[in-house]
Amino acid sequence: SQQGEEDPQALSIQEGENATMNCSYKTSINNLQWYRQNSGRGLVHLILIRSNEREKHSGRLRVTLDTSKKSSSLLITASRAADTASYFCATDAGGGADGLTFGKGTHLIIQP
Amino acid sequence: AAGVIQSPRHLIKEKRETATLKCYPIPRHDTVYWYQQGPGQDPQFLISFYEKMQSDKGSIPDRFSAQQFSDYHSELNMSSLELGDSALYFCASSFRLAWGYKDEQFFGPGTRLTVL
Repeated sequence: SQQGEEDPQALSIQEGENATMNCSYKTSINNLQWYRQNSGRGLVHLILIRSNEREKHSGRLRVTLDTSKKSSSLLITASRAADTASYFCATDAGGGADGLTFGKGTHLIIQP
Repeated sequence: AAGVIQSPRHLIKEKRETATLKCYPIPRHDTVYWYQQGPGQDPQFLISFYEKMQSDKGSIPDRFSAQQFSDYHSELNMSSLELGDSALYFCASSFRLAWGYKDEQFFGPGTRLTVL
């Protein structure tokens, strides 16, 4: 079953605005990672937040994690046209489970 | 910085043929993962290797097999190809901090397989 579910599925905003994407998951996790993917290209790692962390920053990115609600959010501030891409959250269950479980992704369009 | 290398980048095969995809992980990474991403889909975990031993198995079809070699590169072997196998195949690598605790997974550029 799908672990991560992104919300919204698609988001279109003006350049300079902030973009917020949400991710919900079902089981306990070791960490949660966010990736960006330009159309049909590779997955670029953005940020990893561990289960004992609540918030993490990296440049214009801010990620929060609420393990009690099994949810995470990715905030991109001061968006740029180059931020147009699909964004996926992926959960790592830890233990003997190696593979990441990806959400369906949010397709973000930044209008110039 | 060195990244994950995958070859070939594009591959076209006929139904029932075989294909071999190669992956070279980031140096000093001890875990390799394979994922499949169908058109418009999210990536699905296939299989992983830790220190050259199979570590975890996901939704890998029986027609597929993989291994990791002594130099840590990995190969995904796909036989009796079907139209539905057309997808992007990603390899990723990471460093295992301790059992159950892994660092970020860094993905290669992917191999686009088209089955005709």
